[in-house]
Amino acid sequence: AQSVTQLGSHVSVSEGALVLLRCNYSSSVPPYLFWYVQYPNQGLQLLLKYTSAATLVKGINGFEAEFKKSETSFHLTKPSAHMSDAAEYFCAVTPTGGGNKLTFGTGTQLKVEL
Amino acid sequence: DAGVTQSPTHLIKTRGQQVTLRCSPISGHKSVSWYQQVLGQGPQFIFQYYEKEERGRGNFPDRFSARQFPNYSSELNVNALLLGDSALYLCASSLYWTSNEQFFGPGTRLTVL
Repeated sequence: AQSVTQLGSHVSVSEGALVLLRCNYSSSVPPYLFWYVQYPNQGLQLLLKYTSAATLVKGINGFEAEFKKSETSFHLTKPSAHMSDAAEYFCAVTPTGGGNKLTFGTGTQLKVEL
Repeated sequence: DAGVTQSPTHLIKTRGQQVTLRCSPISGHKSVSWYQQVLGQGPQFIFQYYEKEERGRGNFPDRFSARQFPNYSSELNVNALLLGDSALYLCASSLYWTSNEQFFGPGTRLTVL
């Protein structure tokens, strides 16, 4: 079964600092990988996705992620944090064939401090 | 264009009651999936429907059921509510059941007392 593990349930950065949120996946074949953001009392918004094309994926709001098969990782980064980035971030995986059922990680709460 | 809509926004029920949650997908989308998000956890897959047929079911008891209508909207039903059913219920739509991009609604917050 496919799964993702997010390291660090809470991450705190200063405004303007690098954001790094970690995600490792477990799958017998390279899956499709996603990062979603959830603001308080809202649904999920797709930040970016990896679907076996370019390994460096650029998303919305200045976020990007790199698929590294050798490390089974798909970490999310942003060069300079903004206060508006404070939210919960979820890494997710779907199989490359069949339905598009998403399996989510446990989430990382990002706090941005002045 | 309207995104995925869900109703109601909030709901309070007591143990043993039954609840129906509703979802309208983005216009043109034929697949609807339901997820349960318990506080402090990631969403868990419950069901996927495509063209009115069930295409996937997660590890949830038979108290959970769903259906999809000809206009592609969907309902999630939960019978004999338990305290542990308290959660945010999210609906997601996609063009096809294999589409790699899903769009989520704002969710329905269910509280069971």
